[in-house]
Amino acid sequence: QLQLQESGPGLVKPSETLSLTCTVSGDSISSSNSWWAWIRQPPGKGLEWIATLSYTKITYYHPSLKSRVTISGDTSKNQFSLKLSSVTAADTAMYYCAKQVAGPRGWFDPWGQGTLVTVS
Amino acid sequence: QAVLTQPPSASGTPGQRVTISCSGSDFNIGSNAVNWYQQLPGTAPKLLIYSSSQRPSGVPDRFSGSKSGTSASLAISGLQSEDEADYYCASWDDSLNGLVLFGGGTKVTVL
Repeated sequence: QLQLQESGPGLVKPSETLSLTCTVSGDSISSSNSWWAWIRQPPGKGLEWIATLSYTKITYYHPSLKSRVTISGDTSKNQFSLKLSSVTAADTAMYYCAKQVAGPRGWFDPWGQGTLVTVS
Repeated sequence: QAVLTQPPSASGTPGQRVTISCSGSDFNIGSNAVNWYQQLPGTAPKLLIYSSSQRPSGVPDRFSGSKSGTSASLAISGLQSEDEADYYCASWDDSLNGLVLFGGGTKVTVL
């Protein structure tokens, strides 16, 4: 059964870099046609897609975050990561990782449980 | 700016049918599939409908999705108390080198 688990610091200072890792079990991040994504949700607000990474290391980024975001994968650990630089209070959110089925135009399933990151 | 528009709230009594709309444009819903997610209180979102009208295994058949032109809809028939949740539509948008758009979410309340 495919499971994803986010990990990383729960508190990040303004102007610093937020770094999160998603550990995947039950599938390989390098398996053919696999895509992996980060999505966030500020407290009390809606969902926002951040980035997507393919098994061939193709990346897609949300245009409004592109200058600050990097998504990457570590096949040896079967993990993929998110780095968001120059954070502000507006980046405070629950961050979810997910498998994106059928490519960047596809759907997110399953999702990790999420990890709350506070910028303060 | 690309946007998917959902009503902020919807409600119904147990057994009723509730419909949630998701309005977009030619760049997103008009040319791409729509996916729907259910987020129960305090939990991560869960896939509810994919490719506009397909139900993953395990999702009750009282949930159905449809798409027409630049709009999509999620219908919940036979509303149950456990359906009280936030519902989000999502679609790929072909503008700005492409991005995934989410609607603002609809809170469904079972009266």
